[in-house]
Amino acid sequence: AQTVTQSQPEMSVQEAETVTLSCTYDTSESDYYLFWYKQPPSRQMILVIRQEAYKQQNATENRFSVNFQKAAKSFSLKISDSQLGDAAMYFCAYRTPLRGNRDDKIIFGKGTRLHILP
Amino acid sequence: KAGVTQTPRYLIKTRGQQVTLSCSPISGHRSVSWYQQTPGQGLQFLFEYFSETQRNKGNFPGRFSGRQFSNSRSEMNVSTLELGDSALYLCASSLGGRGMNTEAFFGQGTRLTVV
Repeated sequence: AQTVTQSQPEMSVQEAETVTLSCTYDTSESDYYLFWYKQPPSRQMILVIRQEAYKQQNATENRFSVNFQKAAKSFSLKISDSQLGDAAMYFCAYRTPLRGNRDDKIIFGKGTRLHILP
Repeated sequence: KAGVTQTPRYLIKTRGQQVTLSCSPISGHRSVSWYQQTPGQGLQFLFEYFSETQRNKGNFPGRFSGRQFSNSRSEMNVSTLELGDSALYLCASSLGGRGMNTEAFFGQGTRLTVV
């Protein structure tokens, strides 16, 4: 069964600094998707960034980028120039693409609470 | 384009009662998934509906059920509520077709408190 592990329950970073959130996963599949979601106090889960496993190039979205290491099954999120609005719970998630009758669902890590220090 | 809408936002129920939560997906999305979020267990998958059919189910007791209507709106029902059912229930919608973009968009959730 697939699992997603976030080993850092909480992290803090100074405003304007860079922070990296870790995520590892376990799967026997070769084709899958990885995501980072952000959940602020408003509880709305917001997609931050996605990565297709078949793509070697790391995904980037403005100040957010990932370091995807497929062989190591690692998918870390780097936030550059941290802003107060980045304070939230961040979830790493895994999903296999629909194919045949294979079950499909998103598997989430336990989350990392990120604090931004002014 | 309207996002995913969940109603109600907050709910307080008594043990033994039943509850129905509603989710309206993004227009054009045919897949609706439900998740339970608690501090101890994190986000756990309940079930997924696509074109009015349950396509996938998590490891929850039969007290948790759902359905999807022809307009893709989905409802989740929990019968014989227990204190442990207190949680944030999140709904996610996606296009859902096989081979299509699997990106999921979430609603703001329904906070259920069982007393």
